[in-house]
Amino acid sequence: DTGVSQDPRHKITKRGQNVTFRCDPISEHNRLYWYRQTLGQGPEFLTYFQNEAQLEKSRLLSDRFSAERPKGSFSTLEIQRTEQGDSAMYLCASPGGPLYNEQFFGPGTRLTVL
Amino acid sequence: AQRVTQPEKLLSVFKGAPVELKCNYSYSGSPELFWYVQYSRQRLQLLLRHISRESIKGFTADLNKGETSFHLKKPFAQEEDSAMYYCALSGTGGYQKVTFGTGTKLQVIP
Repeated sequence: DTGVSQDPRHKITKRGQNVTFRCDPISEHNRLYWYRQTLGQGPEFLTYFQNEAQLEKSRLLSDRFSAERPKGSFSTLEIQRTEQGDSAMYLCASPGGPLYNEQFFGPGTRLTVL
Repeated sequence: AQRVTQPEKLLSVFKGAPVELKCNYSYSGSPELFWYVQYSRQRLQLLLRHISRESIKGFTADLNKGETSFHLKKPFAQEEDSAMYYCALSGTGGYQKVTFGTGTKLQVIP
């Protein structure tokens, strides 16, 4: 068990609805990463936090997406006005390894937009 | 721009046969290379990293800077090796985000 948890594990929603996902990272790490994985693709970087500060956002993160990490612990990822193209697995990760470039992933939240 | 290419979506081998999963990368500088694996119904996890030069579950990978490749090899495939394998890279500055390839599904036939 890597210690990263995500909730919910599955979410089915109708197009146009808002959804929010939660990630609880490994507690001693001040960095937290979000990735998205669509069918047939590897994980793609979305954004990352250093404590509560969001330091980088991918161009994949449209203005319908917002991520927060209010107290530098858990993080939330919200998608507003969902579209079918948002259907994907959303992964959260904590860093590790000798140079902290290794990613310890959570189980992911699978989003299906109908 | 950094990019990882895995040319094979699916690789099927018989049990006991050698395995080679191909990975090529593009990066300006010296990257850190990884192989991640995802077994059925499990989360994505690190298999090995090039700086460790270790063998994990019989798998090895050698970084070839001239060919910009980091192929994953195992001399004798086992059924439990069946999984999705992702090649990935990051910068070496610490706390770098990771770029993944599209993955290769390894199917080991009994």
